Amino acid sequence: EPEVTQTPSHQVTQMGQEVILRCVPISNHLYFYWYRQILGQKVEFLVSFYNNEISEKSEIFDDQFSVERPDGSNFTLKIRSTKLEDSAMYFCATSTGFNSPLHFGNGTRLTVT
Amino acid sequence: RKEVEQDPGPFNVPEGATVAFNCTYSNSASQSFFWYRQDCRKEPKLLMSVYSSGNEDGRFTAQLNRASQYISLLIRDSKLSDSATYLCVVKDSGAGSYQLTFGKGTKLSVIP
Repeated sequence: EPEVTQTPSHQVTQMGQEVILRCVPISNHLYFYWYRQILGQKVEFLVSFYNNEISEKSEIFDDQFSVERPDGSNFTLKIRSTKLEDSAMYFCATSTGFNSPLHFGNGTRLTVT
Repeated sequence: RKEVEQDPGPFNVPEGATVAFNCTYSNSASQSFFWYRQDCRKEPKLLMSVYSSGNEDGRFTAQLNRASQYISLLIRDSKLSDSATYLCVVKDSGAGSYQLTFGKGTKLSVIP
């Protein structure tokens, strides 16, 4: 079964540093998303991306966050200047259609020290 | 503010038991509903979509009550491998609304 793959599986960074989280979507999927889950909390929506642009973003997704699809295969989430409260599991997800179920990647655990 | 509420549990049940989870959602305009399961420190995995008429997939049955804004999941003949956190997930299908709203999840432990 095709999978969404994410790298790295664990990223440790110092406060104020930039991080880039990478995702390879399932090949025929057109809608891409980033979600995050702080330990012990619910999964929260960050951003959706369709047709090479952001289609929706949450309040969490402020100016420190950006997404892009640089080479037509990878889908990346960049955090420009990390804060302690950015520590969380970040999940990439993709779907074939607007109302189709999402398929989640295995996640990147980000630890900001 | 859109909310999805679930009983956090934990539900501790013996193998073979039947267990039911409930979920309520606040946005009456919600159109798509799902149950996901999440193992500890892993990604959410789709268990099943929930349809208005109710639907069944093997030992799992999902029901939707739009009037009460209530979703349920029934698991029959519980297996040890069913131990996980079950996430109720709701999507609004309004124009431009792409996001899923997750409940915090109900933890299930199936005991030998």
